Formats: sequence, structure tokens, C-alpha cells
Amino acid sequence: GAVVSQHPSRVICKSGTSVKIECRSLDFQATTMFWYRQFPKKSLMLMATSNEGSKATYEQGVEKDKFLINHASLTLSTLTVTSAHPEDSSFYICSARTQPSTDTQYFGPGTRLTVL
Amino acid sequence: SQQGEEDPQALSIQEGENATMNCSYKTSINNLQWYRQNSGRGLVHLILIRSNEREKHSGRLRVTLDTSKKSSSLLITASRAADTASYFCATDAIDYKLSFGAGTTVTVRA
Repeated sequence: GAVVSQHPSRVICKSGTSVKIECRSLDFQATTMFWYRQFPKKSLMLMATSNEGSKATYEQGVEKDKFLINHASLTLSTLTVTSAHPEDSSFYICSARTQPSTDTQYFGPGTRLTVL
Repeated sequence: SQQGEEDPQALSIQEGENATMNCSYKTSINNLQWYRQNSGRGLVHLILIRSNEREKHSGRLRVTLDTSKKSSSLLITASRAADTASYFCATDAIDYKLSFGAGTTVTVRA
């Protein structure tokens, strides 16, 4: 099946710094990628949808300037958490679709962000 | 926003027993999907059932969908210790975005 990778798998950073998380589709071209956030023992909350070559669409309540998303190629999307604070600590998961309207999303393994 | 709600929140069973969990949702859907997540890991896609389907099987998994009641169930038969995980339903409604339920944590005791 299709494989999506994320890097890094875990990151610890100081408050006020920025952290970039990469999401790559390894064996397929992803026209659409999604970024989710998951708090401990909670469900996944969709943060934003990104289509290759266009601006990301953010869900209500998600700060665009805080969570910068770039989808520069058909195999790579990045999420940058700017000026991170302890409340940004979470598990971030990306997923990818081959076409905007296909059923199946392929999920990455997630990135554990801890902000001290 | 979250659409799916799952029941129960947690389930503990003996190895070999069946595990059943339910998912309810609020709006019309294109399809409903079930995922498994092991602790601290990403999601594994288990099964997708379309809105015009009523039942689907995959190995030891059986999924039903009742669109009139806006509910779905996932049955895991003959459970194994390796089935210990959290299980999420996700509805695919508008704009092909997935909306996840709160999840059911399943513990299979050896």
C-alpha cells in the first residue's frame, strides 16, 4: 500500500522556537495532504487541508500564522509551528490522498512535539 | 468539527472473545471508515464502508452501517492480544474531509 512518512518522529524544543515537521508520500503523488492534531487519549482534530501549489485551508479556530503549512511538491508538505509554547505540545499526524476526491487517506506515523 | 461519537469509550475482553464497538454520526456521509491506532503511533486503515452498503467483512472484522440510524458498528471476532489498540470511526462527508470519533480503547487480556 501507499506509504506516508513523517520527520521527525519526535521533537523537543524550547518555548519560543519554531519547529518544522515534514510529511512525505513515498511511493505516490499526493495532490491533497491533511494535518491533524491529537491530544493524549483524544481523537484527531483536522487542522488544515493543503493542495499542492495552493494555499492551505485551515479549519475554524486554527491560527494560520501559528501553524504554517506549505505543500510545495506532490510528495512533500510541511507544518511549521511558529513561536511554539507548551500548549502546542501534541501529536501531529499528516495524511495524504492521491486525488482530492478519492476515498482513501494514507496516514503518516505521527510526530510527538514537546515544548518545554 | 467532530461528527462521530463512539461507544463504549473503553472495552476490556479476554483473548478469544469478540469485541463490538459502535459509532454514531450526525450528517449525511459518503462513506464511513474505521482505523486502528496503537499507543503513540499513526493510524492504520481497517475498512471502508460506503453509504450504499450495509455490511462489509475483512478477515476477523465485520462492519455494519445503518444510514437511517446514522450509526455503524465494528466487530472484531476471536480477539488476540495484538488487537489491543484504540479504534476510531471516521466519516467522510463534505469536501472529502474525515471527521473522527472519540475512539474506543480496546484491551485484550491474555
